[in-house]
Amino acid sequence: DGGITQSPKYLFRKEGQNVTLSCEQNLNHDAMYWYRQDPGQGLRLIYYSQIVNDFQKGDIAEGYSVSREKKESFPLTVTSAQKNPTAFYLCASSFGQLSVNTEAFFGQGTRLTVV
Amino acid sequence: EDQVTQSPEALRLQEGESSSLNCSYTVSGLRGLFWYRQDPGKGPEFLFTLYSAGEEKEKERLKATLTKKESFLHITAPKPEDSATYLCAVVSGGSYIPTFGRGTSLIVHP
Repeated sequence: DGGITQSPKYLFRKEGQNVTLSCEQNLNHDAMYWYRQDPGQGLRLIYYSQIVNDFQKGDIAEGYSVSREKKESFPLTVTSAQKNPTAFYLCASSFGQLSVNTEAFFGQGTRLTVV
Repeated sequence: EDQVTQSPEALRLQEGESSSLNCSYTVSGLRGLFWYRQDPGKGPEFLFTLYSAGEEKEKERLKATLTKKESFLHITAPKPEDSATYLCAVVSGGSYIPTFGRGTSLIVHP
């Protein structure tokens, strides 16, 4: 079945550590996104990518980094520079700008907790 | 800048009590408006895409409608399993990136 897989589902990080969240899709989508979800805040865009080896900052990119070496994969690293990393992280993908189909599909999320 | 406002923030219904959720939007050229359902601790599940004013989509007890300024998600005779947060998002002509509202938390009591 086609879909988006995020791993792990739960992640615990100590202060000062970098952690990487995985996102893989087999929908043949060009565009991929990372959102952060906090209670009462809705989904806020961290980074997005339209094609391999290209990505752009979203609204809240500080303290995060990404890579897009393969079409199927868009990992997110939460660095020690991110001041308040505890949140629910969602990865999504869509056909992107060149398609008439614009809806995005989501993974099941990773809950990151700083301990 | 695209803006999406959802109301109410929270809604409590009795089973069978029909109601509507609102999504108001401001975009420069709408390419698509989307509704999602999100259960606690899970990723949003895609429900509908609406492309132009006057369009309607239905799925079981849910019906989504679209005007030039807002969209409604009508819930007819809801059941407790319809309890979830419903998210609205838009994609504008200048971008393919979805912009989300904060959602409406729906609780349906048996």
